[in-house]
Amino acid sequence: AQSVSQHNHHVILSEAASLELGCNYSYGGTVNLFWYVQYPGQHLQLLLKYFSGDPLVKGIKGFEAEFIKSKFSFNLRKPSVQWSDTAEYFCAVSLYGNNRLAFGKGNQVVVIP
Amino acid sequence: EAGVAQSPRYKIIEKRQSVAFWCNPISGHATLYWYQQILGQGPKLLIQFQNNGVVDDSQLPKDRFSAERLKGVDSTLKIQPAKLEDSAVYLCASSLRFGGQETQYFGPGTRLLVL
Repeated sequence: AQSVSQHNHHVILSEAASLELGCNYSYGGTVNLFWYVQYPGQHLQLLLKYFSGDPLVKGIKGFEAEFIKSKFSFNLRKPSVQWSDTAEYFCAVSLYGNNRLAFGKGNQVVVIP
Repeated sequence: EAGVAQSPRYKIIEKRQSVAFWCNPISGHATLYWYQQILGQGPKLLIQFQNNGVVDDSQLPKDRFSAERLKGVDSTLKIQPAKLEDSAVYLCASSLRFGGQETQYFGPGTRLLVL
């Protein structure tokens, strides 16, 4: 079955530390890749997305992600986190053409001031 | 631009009761989705509409869940009768078109607690 894996569900780090969240998927074929973020008390918001082209994509608030096709991965990175990055981060994948998003279980990230 | 609207934001019911959720997508968005998010998990797609037609309802528990999108705009999701395991956040999302490279935009969700 098709699936999306996110490891290290709970991440705690200090301000200015670097963040990397892993995402692996098991789909074959052409995929669309997304990272969504949910800040406390808010709804899911798009952080960044990859459809095609340059595998290194930049999103809002200094986040970036790299698509590595050979590894079926789409890892999220931020070189220096802030307290305001405390949130839950979800990786999502859809197959090109059908839009049905499959989500990972999410990473709960807590940034300590 | 207004986002996806959902109501109510919270609902508490007893098991075996019925409940309905409402969603108004972003203006002009043809495709609408309902997701269920159980605590500690990512959202799971329940049903997908293209205008007022169902594209995919393979993961909708049809013995108790139903959804409709009359006139291709607003949508309602109903649970009848509710079970304890239906406690979750129900998210509505919309995208401009179906197919290809589309981004889904999410509403704030309805948090359901079944006692």
